[in-house]
Amino acid sequence: KAGVTQTPRYLIKTRGQQVTLSCSPISGHRSVSWYQQTPGQGLQFLFEYFSETQRNKGNFPGRFSGRQFSNSRSEMNVSTLELGDSALYLCASSLVGQGNGYTFGSGTRLTVV
Amino acid sequence: AQTVTQSQPEMSVQEAETVTLSCTYDTSESDYYLFWYKQPPSRQMILVIRQEAYKQQNATENRFSVNFQKAAKSFSLKISDSQLGDAAMYFCAYRAYGGSQGNLIFGKGTKLSVKP
Repeated sequence: KAGVTQTPRYLIKTRGQQVTLSCSPISGHRSVSWYQQTPGQGLQFLFEYFSETQRNKGNFPGRFSGRQFSNSRSEMNVSTLELGDSALYLCASSLVGQGNGYTFGSGTRLTVV
Repeated sequence: AQTVTQSQPEMSVQEAETVTLSCTYDTSESDYYLFWYKQPPSRQMILVIRQEAYKQQNATENRFSVNFQKAAKSFSLKISDSQLGDAAMYFCAYRAYGGSQGNLIFGKGTKLSVKP
């Protein structure tokens, strides 16, 4: 059974550019969440999607956005990149059900220069 | 707002020995879920163990067990017979029960080293 797949693994962008990250969840998982991981702030929740609808959103500026497609694949977009956006972006998927733990991908390492 | 605190930034254990990682959390909810995740250098977060707050019995997964003290809001992870492959960052996480509050709230993590 394939795990959560995130592409690309590494990305280098320049300040002011925009970037799109992709996440393919485990087959059958309809909930997809995104997290930002930095040494200073740790793991912070960005947003959660379920059946193509954003169900929950963290405390991030509007430059961070996402969407989910009918096949449950998800993308997140960051516009007008800032140096502080450099981070590991983790995607996680889950079966419907409150007690299920999330299965994470290996992340996309974004570096903004 | 809910918070999760891991007071040990780094821990070290001898191979085959037992180590306990601490986690405390703050919430006004009575129903919730708690998790321990492991993040090796490969970066992928791996679910180690989970606990439903309404269950009195402590969760156990092979060499991993938890000590869940609901009144004290404490959720420690015990690793028995430590192996070299256990070396990683360990994150404690909280998830509210029900509704749209499906996100995980993480602690800052504990870096575990295993000495041969």
